[in-house]
Formats: sequence, C-alpha cells, structure tokens
Amino acid sequence: EAQVTQNPRYLITVTGKKLTVTCSQNMNHEYMSWYRQDPGLGLRQIYYSMNVEVTDKGDVPEGYKVSRKEKRNFPLILESPSPNQTSLYFCASSALTTLNEQFFGPGTRLTVL
Amino acid sequence: GENVEQHPSTLSVQEGDSAVIKCTYSDSASNYFPWYKQELGKGPQLIIDIRSNVGEKKDQRIAVTLNKTAKHFSLHITETQPEDSAVYFCAATSGVFGNEKLTFGTGTRLTIIP
Repeated sequence: EAQVTQNPRYLITVTGKKLTVTCSQNMNHEYMSWYRQDPGLGLRQIYYSMNVEVTDKGDVPEGYKVSRKEKRNFPLILESPSPNQTSLYFCASSALTTLNEQFFGPGTRLTVL
Repeated sequence: GENVEQHPSTLSVQEGDSAVIKCTYSDSASNYFPWYKQELGKGPQLIIDIRSNVGEKKDQRIAVTLNKTAKHFSLHITETQPEDSAVYFCAATSGVFGNEKLTFGTGTRLTIIP
C-alpha cells in the first residue's frame, strides 16, 4: 500500500531533550516536506526537500533541522525542543512530475513540557 | 511571501444544502491553488485543485472558482452529505515546479447537520 509513515505518532518530552521524528514513504517520491499544524494558524511549512541531499527552508524553519540522505526518508530533528514547538506535525511527499498532489502522513502530536 | 486568508473558520449547513468556503491570496505570482480535506485524526488529502490559467473546475459535487484579478478562489460543495464534515484548507503556491512551497489558509471546519 502506498503510504507515508511517521513515528512516533505521539510524543511527550521535556525542554532541551533532543528528539527526531521519522518520516518514510514507499512511493519513490522525490519531494518531501514537513508541516506543523496549530489551532487558528493552519498548516505551516517547516522544511522541504526536492531530492536526496537537497533541502530548503519553508516558512517556519527556526528550531528545526532536516536531512535527506535517502530518497524514502526525511527525518525532522529538534535539537533543543521548546514548549512553543508543541504542535501536530505532518510529513508529506510527492512526485516531482505531479507536485500538485502531496500525500500526507497520519501526523505526530508532540508535546514539549 | 505569500499570505492566504480563509473564511469562514467554521461553517454549519443542513444536509443537502450547499457550502462555500472562500480564500484570498496576496502574491500575484501564485499560479496553483489546491484544496485539502482533513478528517478527524488524519492527514490532509487533496480533493481538487486549479491552475491560474483556468477560471473554474468541477469534480462531481465539488467545484473551485478562481478570480485572478481579485486574488480570490472559492470551494463550492453542493448536495452536502454527512461525510463532507471535515476541516478544509485552501493553499496557494508560486514555486518554480508548482508546489514545492505551499502556503495554507487557516482552515474551515465544516459540519453537515443531518
């Protein structure tokens, strides 16, 4: 089944403790992206990647890192999480030839205490 | 950068009636406008999209209209059904490839009243 998977689905952590949220897709998509969803703010893009070793900032990249060493994986790294990073995070992927349809993962709900 | 405003934030309609959600965008260079539906506990899913060289697009009960001059685009759902209840997001982009840097609206929670 074609899908985007994220792990973990739920995470509660404390300020300053480094964490990684993994994202993997099995559709051989070149494009991958991370978004955060907050009430009243909608979805905001954090980082995106057009292909392996190619990443670029979205609208809210501060406090986040990403890497794209393999085509299928696009982990989101929070080196020193803060409470304002408490949010619902979505990973998405798309083929470059059909960038009009991004396939979203199920989401990761992160709480930073 | 691009700014997308979406209204209303909540919308309740009787089953069988029509629902309209409106968005405005700021960047005149934006050329692609998708609409996503998010059901409870799930990620958003593309339901319809429109490009800047088209004024209207329809897919069964769903239609999208675009007014480039006014920088407005709207989602129209006719003959609403309970399964249409969800949060809907509009988005706009002007990326080179078309979609690499999406800017979303703030969402509309649509409730269909049986």
